[in-house]
Amino acid sequence: ETGVTQSPTHLIKTRGQQVTLRCSSQSGHNTVSWYQQALGQGPQFIFQYYREEENGRGNFPPRFSGLQFPNYSSELNVNALELDDSALYLCASSFSKGEGTEAFFGQGTRLTVV
Amino acid sequence: AQKITQTQPGMFVQEKEAVTLDCTYDTSDPSYGLFWYKQPSSGEMIFLIYQGSYDQQNATEGRYSLNFQKARKSANLVISASQLGDSAMYFCAMREVYNTDKLIFGTGTRLQVFP
Repeated sequence: ETGVTQSPTHLIKTRGQQVTLRCSSQSGHNTVSWYQQALGQGPQFIFQYYREEENGRGNFPPRFSGLQFPNYSSELNVNALELDDSALYLCASSFSKGEGTEAFFGQGTRLTVV
Repeated sequence: AQKITQTQPGMFVQEKEAVTLDCTYDTSDPSYGLFWYKQPSSGEMIFLIYQGSYDQQNATEGRYSLNFQKARKSANLVISASQLGDSAMYFCAMREVYNTDKLIFGTGTRLQVFP
C-alpha cells in the first residue's frame, strides 16, 4: 500500500457531463501529478501541482483542470466529457520534485464515458 | 523530443528463470531519472527501481536490477528468479528535471510467468 487513495474507483458518465476525481496524497507529500492511461497505453501526464500551484501541464485541453488543497489532497475536473476521455486516471504523490523523486501511485479511477 | 521506447509488447518466462525487459530512451537533458513500474490488473503502478543519470553503478532492488547503458540510452530491467506473481504490465519511465517535472512512460511490456 502506497498511502495514496483515489475515489471513486469506477465511474460511468454520459458524454457532455462533468466529473470530479479525487486523490488523497501520502502523508508529508507536497506534490501531486495526474495521469491518463488509455487502454493498452502507458500513462500520459495531465498536470502537476506543487504546494497548491500548477507546476506543469501536458498536452490536454483546458476542460481538464485541477486543484490542490492545503492538506495536499487534489482534484481532477473534466468538463464536457467526450468518449475518448474513457481511461484509467492515476494520481501520484511525491515529496518535492527532482530527478530521483519517487512517485507513489494510487489505484486509479476507471472512468467510462458513454 | 523526450521519448521512452519499449519494443516488447509481451514476454513469457518460466518460473524461477531470469527475464530482461527492454527500454530505450531519448532526451537532450543532461540530468534525468529512469524508473520501472509494475502494473497488475488492479491498476496501481508499483515502483520497482530507480536509476539516476549520473549514477555510476547499476541499481539493484532485491530480484530487480537495472542494466543502465548510458551511451546506448538503454535501461533494461532484469528480473531474476521469476515468480508467478510477477505476471503484470511493466512500464519504463523517465523523469526530466529541467522540463516539466513529469514522468514520461513507454507503452509497456506484458510479462507472463508460467509454471
